This record gives sequence, C-alpha cells and structure tokens, in this order.
Amino acid sequence: DSGVTQTPKHLITATGQRVTLRCSPRSGDLSVYWYQQSLDQGLQFLIQYYNGEERAKGNILERFSAQQFPDLHSELNLSSLELGDSALYFCASSVDLGSYNEQFFGPGTRLTVL
Amino acid sequence: AQTVTQSQPEMSVQEAETVTLSCTYDTSENNYYLFWYKQPPSRQMILVIRQEAYKQQNATENRFSVNFQKAAKSFSLKISDSQLGDTAMYFCAFMKQSFGNEKLTFGTGTRLTIIP
Repeated sequence: DSGVTQTPKHLITATGQRVTLRCSPRSGDLSVYWYQQSLDQGLQFLIQYYNGEERAKGNILERFSAQQFPDLHSELNLSSLELGDSALYFCASSVDLGSYNEQFFGPGTRLTVL
Repeated sequence: AQTVTQSQPEMSVQEAETVTLSCTYDTSENNYYLFWYKQPPSRQMILVIRQEAYKQQNATENRFSVNFQKAAKSFSLKISDSQLGDTAMYFCAFMKQSFGNEKLTFGTGTRLTIIP
C-alpha cells in the first residue's frame, strides 16, 4: 500500500458523459501527478500540481481538466467522453518538487466508456 | 523530447534463473534520472530501482541491479534468482532533472513471466 488513495476503483459510463476521478495523496505530500495508461498510448503523463497550483502539463486533452484543493486532494475531470478515453488513470504523489523525490502511485481508477 | 524504448515485449525465464530486461532512451539532457517500475497483475505501479545519471556506479537493490551506459543511452535491469512474485510488466522510465516539472516518460513495457 503506497498511501495514495484513488476513488472510485472502477467506473463505467457512456460516451458523451462527464466523470470525476479523485485522488488523496500520501499524508504530507504536496505534489500530485496524473497519468493515463491505455492500450493505444501506453503510460502517459497528464498533469502535475503542487500545493494547489498547476506545475506541468503533458498530453492532456482539452476535454480533461484537473485541480488540487487546499486539503491537497486532487480531482481529474473528464468530459465529453469518447471510447478512446477508456484507460487506467493513475494518481501519484511526492513529498515536494524535485526529481530526487520518489513518486508513489495509487492503485488507479479503471474507466470504461461504452 | 525524450523517448524511452523497450524492445522486448515479452520474456520468460525459469524460476531461480537470471534475466535481463533492456531499455534505451534518447535525450539531449545531461542530468536526469532513470527508473524501473514493476506492475504486477494487481496493476499497482511499484518502483523497483532508480539511477541518477551523474552517478557512475550502477544502482543495486537486493536481487535487482542495473547496467547504466550513459554514452550508449542504455539502461538494462538484471533480476537475479528470479522468483514467481517477479512476474509482472516492467516499465523503464526517464525523468529529466527538474524542480517543478517531474514528468515521468515511460517505455512500452516488457511482460516478464517467471516459470515454476
């Protein structure tokens, strides 16, 4: 158990819908990362937040958005869902900024778009 | 942009044997970190080992060791005395040295099966 929690574990929805994935980082961790793992694209970095502020963006679609709240939990919002958005979405956290800090991954949320 | 290549989609080895997983990467950065992550059937991503590019000495963690060749941009993982619990997908990953953009770039993975 990494200490990072993600809810829900599984999510099944239809095309065109909107969903919210939630992540609680390890206690004391200020930095949160979102990654997408799909059959087509592999593991891809989406976005990073640090203490409530966006710090880095990867290949995140405009239909996707994220935020980190004052209590440091983060949410990833996916809208106008398409079949290709079906994937495992991971959240990771680290104690601070800096490459030397290990990223601890949550168990992931499996999203299925029908 | 950095790229990470894992040329072995699948590998299998007998229990207790040694296996080496290959990884090459491309970058123009001089300071960076390299990682091997393990993803067992549970899907949890687990850090196996990491290497700082400025360190010449290869990293070792118990039965896991790496062969880091900076000039060749090669970063292989050796698993000694393999165990059934080592069965998993293994991902090689790259991160440039940064303070504020700690993006991990992953390879496509190698599916390793340990045969009893």
